[in-house]
Amino acid sequence: KQEVTQIPAALSVPEGENLVLNCSFTDSAIYNLQWFRQDPGKGLTSLLLIQSSQREQTSGRLNASLDKSSGRSTLYIAASQPGDSATYLCAVSLSSNTGKLIFGQGTTLQVKP
Amino acid sequence: DAGITQSPRYKITETGRQVTLMCHQTWSHSYMFWYRQDLGHGLRLIYYSAAADITDKGEVPDGYVVSRSKTENFPLTLESATRSQTSVYFCASSLRGVETQYFGPGTRLLVL
Repeated sequence: KQEVTQIPAALSVPEGENLVLNCSFTDSAIYNLQWFRQDPGKGLTSLLLIQSSQREQTSGRLNASLDKSSGRSTLYIAASQPGDSATYLCAVSLSSNTGKLIFGQGTTLQVKP
Repeated sequence: DAGITQSPRYKITETGRQVTLMCHQTWSHSYMFWYRQDLGHGLRLIYYSAAADITDKGEVPDGYVVSRSKTENFPLTLESATRSQTSVYFCASSLRGVETQYFGPGTRLLVL
């Protein structure tokens, strides 16, 4: 059974710091991996999607990498800002037909001014 | 462009009552999903649909029923609500199964 783990569960950093969020999964047979952001009381917003054949994806200050063989993905946030404070979730897709996602429990990030 | 909407946003009901949560998307996405989010369990898939009239179970389907007669709507019904179904419910959609999922704002359900 696929399990997705995100460590740490919470992280607090000063503004301006570069940071890395980690995601690990137990079964390397994934179709893709997605990173989402969730603000308190809100729905999820997709940040980046990495296909299994890709090594990384970038969007602005965000860079996500994928190492399927080791079952790991990282989300790198450059020059963090207080507006980046949120919970970040990673999810893996096991099939191209169903779109089913298995989620990690998230890392809650606080960026202090 | 409304995107994906859910109603109601908040609902309080009693044990044993039937409750229907609505989900509507304006993108004509083929795939739609229902998740529940609970502390300690994260997000778990309840049901999903690959197209109108095609639905299948996810990880935690017991006690829930779905239908999809139209592409844009994907209602979730709790046939006889239980306290363990108190949760935040999210609907999502994607153009195809392999693509980015777009989430609605969620419905907070409290079962007394």
